Amino acid sequence: SQTIHQWPATLVQPVGSPLSLECTVEGTSNPNLYWYRQAAGRGLQLLFYSVGIGQISSEVPQNLSASRPQDRQFILSSKKLLLSDSGFYLCAWTQIRGGETQYFGPGTRLLVL
Amino acid sequence: AQSVTQLDSQVPVFEEAPVELRCNYSSSVSVYLFWYVQYPNQGLQLLLKYLSGSTLVKGINGFEAEFNKSQTSFHLRKPSVHISDTAEYFCAVSETNDYKLSFGAGTTVTVRA
Repeated sequence: SQTIHQWPATLVQPVGSPLSLECTVEGTSNPNLYWYRQAAGRGLQLLFYSVGIGQISSEVPQNLSASRPQDRQFILSSKKLLLSDSGFYLCAWTQIRGGETQYFGPGTRLLVL
Repeated sequence: AQSVTQLDSQVPVFEEAPVELRCNYSSSVSVYLFWYVQYPNQGLQLLLKYLSGSTLVKGINGFEAEFNKSQTSFHLRKPSVHISDTAEYFCAVSETNDYKLSFGAGTTVTVRA
């Protein structure tokens, strides 16, 4: 069966520091991968998605970037964090064919101080 | 592009009472519809989905939802809730030719004894 992992689970970072969040999927090949942010009391905002290695689409302009160095690895990064980057970051995957259903990881809680 | 409106931000309900969470969407093309549940500090778990066929969809934990194309709605129901159903519930939609999800703002269900 397929599983999705995210780490770290919780992160407290100062403003201006760099960020790297990692997401990996096991038990499938060639997944579509997604990064979402959930701000307090709000729904989920799609940040990035990827249909293959090195292929990244950005949904909103922001202080963040994403990379997909391996088939089942998706990384969310920032060079300098802002206070507004605080939130709950969720990674999700779908099958590349017939992949209408997204399955979510456990999330990373990021607090920027 | 599609959009989702969850009509209730908070729904308090007594244990063993029924609950209905309302969701309306807008889209100019055919859609897939989903309900996810999020327990505190966790990722999203799929409750149920409508892809095609019968408009009444049954999911996990005794939940069901009905797709109404004419009213562009996908309301979630449970005939008798438990304390463990306390969580946030998200309605989501994707167009059938595009697997990016759009989420509603969420409905917080609080079940009281």
